[in-house]
Amino acid sequence: GAVVSQHPSRVICKSGTSVKIECRSLDFQATTMFWYRQFPKQSLMLMATSNEGSKATYEQGVEKDKFLINHASLTLSTLTVTSAHPEDSSFYICSAIPTPPQVPYFGPGTRLTVT
Amino acid sequence: DAKTTQPPSMDCAEGRAANLPCNHSTISGNEYVYWYRQIHSQGPQYIIHGLKNNETNEMASLIITEDRKSSTLILPHATLRDTAVYYCIVRSSRSNDYKLSFGAGTTVTVRA
Repeated sequence: GAVVSQHPSRVICKSGTSVKIECRSLDFQATTMFWYRQFPKQSLMLMATSNEGSKATYEQGVEKDKFLINHASLTLSTLTVTSAHPEDSSFYICSAIPTPPQVPYFGPGTRLTVT
Repeated sequence: DAKTTQPPSMDCAEGRAANLPCNHSTISGNEYVYWYRQIHSQGPQYIIHGLKNNETNEMASLIITEDRKSSTLILPHATLRDTAVYYCIVRSSRSNDYKLSFGAGTTVTVRA
């Protein structure tokens, strides 16, 4: 089946630094990818929609200047958490839609810990 | 998109069928029912989806009631590796927007 990868799988950074997370569609092209965030013992919450060649659209309450999204190619979207703080520690997951079967597939997630 | 209601948790015996219910009483005619599962510390895994007819694949079967207000995911022979949180999600088939809205899901524990 379709594969979506993320890199890194886990990262630890210091407060105030920036971290970049990559999401790749390995065997299909994706004009749209989605970024979710999941805090411990909670469900996934959509953060933003990443559009190849255009600006990302953010869900209400998500700071676009803090979570920078770049979808520079049809197989790669990146999420950069700028000036990270401990409250940004979370599990970040991306998804993409291969055609067929036009079903969202998810990456394995990136565990971010900000110390 | 219609909201879904699932029981918070279920226990299942290894080797037996696991039947996971989902209520989506406000579903409209053009909305699909999707099922995903999330094993601890991993991304969600697609299981199956359907519109009106029952569906079956190598992982599971999806039974949708005739009025489409509820559905059941069936894992035919549960194994310990099926322990996960299972999410039932409804999404419009007319939309090109593949955003998914996740609820709390059902935490399924398969016991030996």
